Amino acid sequence: NAGVTQTPKFQVLKTGQSMTLQCAQDMNHEYMSWYRQDPGMGLRLIHYSVGAGITDQGEVPNGYNVSRSTTEDFPLRLLSAAPSQTSVYFCASKPGSTDTQYFGPGTRLTVL
Amino acid sequence: GNSVTQMEGPVTLSEEAFLTINCTYTATGYPSLFWYVQYPGEGLQLLLKATKADDKGSNKGFEATYRKETTSFHLEKGSVQVSDSAVYFCALSSEVNMRFGAGTRLTVKP
Repeated sequence: NAGVTQTPKFQVLKTGQSMTLQCAQDMNHEYMSWYRQDPGMGLRLIHYSVGAGITDQGEVPNGYNVSRSTTEDFPLRLLSAAPSQTSVYFCASKPGSTDTQYFGPGTRLTVL
Repeated sequence: GNSVTQMEGPVTLSEEAFLTINCTYTATGYPSLFWYVQYPGEGLQLLLKATKADDKGSNKGFEATYRKETTSFHLEKGSVQVSDSAVYFCALSSEVNMRFGAGTRLTVKP
């Protein structure tokens, strides 16, 4: 199993550009989530999904969209990037029956 | 709401020194508690967990005990190695979310 994979690893955007961060898992986990990691703040939840077709907002959802059309994929969209979205983004997944999350390697995003 | 407060770093130790990283939490109910580790340039890896009061999680020489009376889950290791240099995050499960502490950067010098 590849586990949780994320692409790209690094990305630089200009203010106002859009992009999609990809996340996929091959463990058939029901639950997937996106976090952002900022210095001194730990990880904060952006959006999550408890299954295909179901998504909900987390702690810091503004400026981000998600969809979950399959169990495996959970892309995160930035519609109009802002410098405040410069961060490291982590995708995670877990089976519905447990509370242990498994994290991807992260995407480091810089918005100029 | 639920929250985690973690000892601020950075922490610098010599090899074979004793490590303690403090973590306290605020929660309703009885969440599971976790320590995750992030090595340079990598994602978070589960280090250990405990699911109920007085449980001890352990892995790779690290251990932490779920203390309900002091709402704490301090991470300890008796003898650190250079390879333990990383950022350590304390976290608790909270319904569909995990709440993380700010992270503590540990550097171990030979």
